[in-house]
Amino acid sequence: EPEVTQTPSHQVTQMGQEVILRCVPISNHLYFYWYRQILGQKVEFLVSFYNNEISEKSEIFDDQFSVERPDGSNFTLKIRSTKLEDSAMYFCASRQGGNTEAFFGQGTRLTVV
Amino acid sequence: LAKTTQPISMDSYEGQEVNITCSHNNIATNDYITWYQQFPSQGPRFIIQGYKTKVTNEVASLFIPADRKSSTLSLPRVSLSDTAVYYCLVGDITGNQFYFGTGTSLTVIP
Repeated sequence: EPEVTQTPSHQVTQMGQEVILRCVPISNHLYFYWYRQILGQKVEFLVSFYNNEISEKSEIFDDQFSVERPDGSNFTLKIRSTKLEDSAMYFCASRQGGNTEAFFGQGTRLTVV
Repeated sequence: LAKTTQPISMDSYEGQEVNITCSHNNIATNDYITWYQQFPSQGPRFIIQGYKTKVTNEVASLFIPADRKSSTLSLPRVSLSDTAVYYCLVGDITGNQFYFGTGTSLTVIP
């Protein structure tokens, strides 16, 4: 079964550093998403991406965040200057289109110290 | 976006049928109802999706009344491995965002 792949599985970074979280969506999917989940809390929408541009973003997705699909296969989330409160699991998801469901990766656990 | 309300937690014995109800009073005409399952430290996993009436797959059934203001996920004969958080999502599945609610934490007891 095709799957969404995320790397790394766990990243520790110092406050103020930039981090890039990587995702390889399912190959024929057209819609891409990033979500985050702070420990013990619900899954929160960050951003959706379609046709090489952001489609929607939440209030969490401020100027510190950016997304990119640099080479047609990877989908990245960059946090420019990490804060302690950015510590969370970050999930990438992709969807083929139409009324199909989204498939989620296993997540990257980001720890900001 | 339609807000969803689910019970925070439920317990069930192994082998029982579990029904988790989600309220979504302001569901829009174009909205679908989708349920996901999440195990600790894993990404959400799609269970089932529907628009109206009843949908059944190899894992679960989804019952949606005519007014679509609620939906019920039915898990037949649960096992210990069904212990997880179950999320009800309501949204335009052709759109560009869908939101998770707080979910229902199901604990299956031996």
